[in-house]
Amino acid sequence: GAGVSQTPSNKVTEKGKYVELRCDPISGHTALYWYRQSLGQGPEFLIYFQGTGAADDSGLPNDRFFAVRPEGSVSTLKIQRTERGDSAVYLCASSLNIQETQYFGPGTRLLVL
Amino acid sequence: QKEVEQNSGPLSVPEGAIASLNCTYSDRVSQSFFWYRQYSGKSPELIMSIYSNGDKEDGRFTAQLNKASQYVSLLIRDSQPSDSATYLCAVLTYNAGNMLTFGGGTRLMVKP
Repeated sequence: GAGVSQTPSNKVTEKGKYVELRCDPISGHTALYWYRQSLGQGPEFLIYFQGTGAADDSGLPNDRFFAVRPEGSVSTLKIQRTERGDSAVYLCASSLNIQETQYFGPGTRLLVL
Repeated sequence: QKEVEQNSGPLSVPEGAIASLNCTYSDRVSQSFFWYRQYSGKSPELIMSIYSNGDKEDGRFTAQLNKASQYVSLLIRDSQPSDSATYLCAVLTYNAGNMLTFGGGTRLMVKP
């Protein structure tokens, strides 16, 4: 079946702009996770959803970052007033339920100029 | 703060040899452990999961877990050039959130 999909695959924006990154999880997976990976480092947790609600957003770096999952399926990560330090690969993962194996999408490579 | 430590490498092994990748973690109550493989420019791909002490084998891959020593390893037998990638160790601790905590990854190079 289809895996986790993410759009866009690449996004180039200017400092101060607003961006939205989309994640479509594996069908039937109730848990959805966002991670951020900088060059040469392992992924770092941002936020995860169980169903429609954000169960843990402790990894969001500041209030410029926000994520939603209004119908319990597709999720959007929103970044306001982007900064050059936001440049990274944003990875989405989903699992059948919490505590189950997480499967990653291809990621969105964000570059803030 | 939960930490997962890996040697960044690169670890270089000849084709056909055994590659041994190691990982230590700081949270004693961590329950689930995963190895992901990541090719350059690609996303992490699950290789192995392990939940209890001992060895778990899947084809050329063997994961080893020692909770007393807070140590998990991945052995790759008969290494192939196509195994050249970064290997990420990840830990899941149920009562401290359900997110994965990753190490920085070990870069493996298998030379023909």
